[in-house]
Amino acid sequence: EVQLVESGGGLVQPGGSLRLSCAASGFTFSSYSMTWVRQAPGKGLEWISFITTSGGKVYIADSVRGRINMSRDNAKNSLTLQLDSLRDDDTGIYYCARWSGAAHYFDSWGQGTRVTVSS
Amino acid sequence: QSVLTQPPSVSAAPGQRVTISCSGTSSNIGNNYVSWYQHLPGAAPKVLIYDNNARPSVIPDRFSGSKSGTSAILGIAGLQTGDEADYYCATWDSSLSAVVFGGGTKLTVL
Repeated sequence: EVQLVESGGGLVQPGGSLRLSCAASGFTFSSYSMTWVRQAPGKGLEWISFITTSGGKVYIADSVRGRINMSRDNAKNSLTLQLDSLRDDDTGIYYCARWSGAAHYFDSWGQGTRVTVSS
Repeated sequence: QSVLTQPPSVSAAPGQRVTISCSGTSSNIGNNYVSWYQHLPGAAPKVLIYDNNARPSVIPDRFSGSKSGTSAILGIAGLQTGDEADYYCATWDSSLSAVVFGGGTKLTVL
């Protein structure tokens, strides 16, 4: 069974940093591109970043460019999102998801980890 | 302001059919595959439709998708109260080199 489990969320002050993780199991992690999507309170889903299978290519949304770093460790079946210079509008639930590969969609999602940016 | 435009809300009675539109441009919907996701509060998003009109085997055929030009449509037939959720379209935007989501549509089953 495919499982994606996010962790690392919490309360952080504006300007602070957080490191989110996504632990993958039940599939060959190194064969799939991965992504992070977030949802601010009362808002819709917002794509943040996408990383290819080897980690050689990372795509980042304009809203977070320069403030995040997405990486992966295929040996540890883990995905990481480093969030820096956090702002109030970074508050939300952060989901990791798997890109199908065979088709064009996100076929598995984690339950999300909550990030709250507040003083 | 989302790159893809969806109606904020739709509603219909149980048993009826509803459609949700998703409008984009040639940079996104016009030249890329569209997928649709259902998102219930507190749950992980779930794919309903991928590659414009394909349906995962676990998704009932009450859910359908289509695409024409720069617009896509999600159809839900035989509405059930359990279908009340937020629905999102998504695709790749070649100009932005980014995945783009619609703003989401809240479905109410009256």
